Amino acid sequence: DTAVSQTPKYLVTQMGNDKSIKCEQNLGHDTMYWYKQDSKKFLKIMFSYNNKELIINETVPNRFSPKSPDKAHLNLHINSLELGDSAVYFCASSPRSTSGGRHTQYFGPGTRLTVL
Amino acid sequence: AQKVTQAQTEISVVEKEDVTLDCVYETRDTTYYLFWYKQPPSGELVFLIRRNSFDEQNEISGRYSWNFQKSTSSFNFTITASQVVDSAVYFCALSEARGGSNYKLTFGKGTLLTVNP
Repeated sequence: DTAVSQTPKYLVTQMGNDKSIKCEQNLGHDTMYWYKQDSKKFLKIMFSYNNKELIINETVPNRFSPKSPDKAHLNLHINSLELGDSAVYFCASSPRSTSGGRHTQYFGPGTRLTVL
Repeated sequence: AQKVTQAQTEISVVEKEDVTLDCVYETRDTTYYLFWYKQPPSGELVFLIRRNSFDEQNEISGRYSWNFQKSTSSFNFTITASQVVDSAVYFCALSEARGGSNYKLTFGKGTLLTVNP
């Protein structure tokens, strides 16, 4: 039933480690996104993929690498984690549509990453 | 560059009061889309409404209503007869109709609404 799912929901790790967050959508959408929500709740886009092709890369450090094996999945791999990477990471997807529907993004439940 | 401003950082009301959340946006595009999302204490982001720049009709959905005014670049959200379950952070967002698949949502900083019993 879940539309956009993310795993894990919580991730606690040490500085310097490498970690991945997985995202899957079963809505048949073409475009997927990663957003970061900081401790002040500010939401900012990181990446978007359309049909496995990178569309948006918003000045994110290259320690962050998105990977889209197919259009239903968009994973986020983070190398050499830093304290400042602690945040909630949201995956989202939007449909293929000829109208404004393609602008509507549906979000996953979020992954809270804590870097110690 | 597009920008969304939610000037109200926090609002606290008593149940059954009406409350309006303000949203002001900036964009150079003539075609764009505005959104409201709700983030309850459980943390998920819930889509509430999308409005395109060509449609200035106000919308009502149950206790929720939205007032879109292009002349003032505002897209305000009113909750009538608020309930405790309305307590959440509410985000206003803007998406410009660029070519291809470049659909980036620019969010405001959010308004924390607390409805007290």
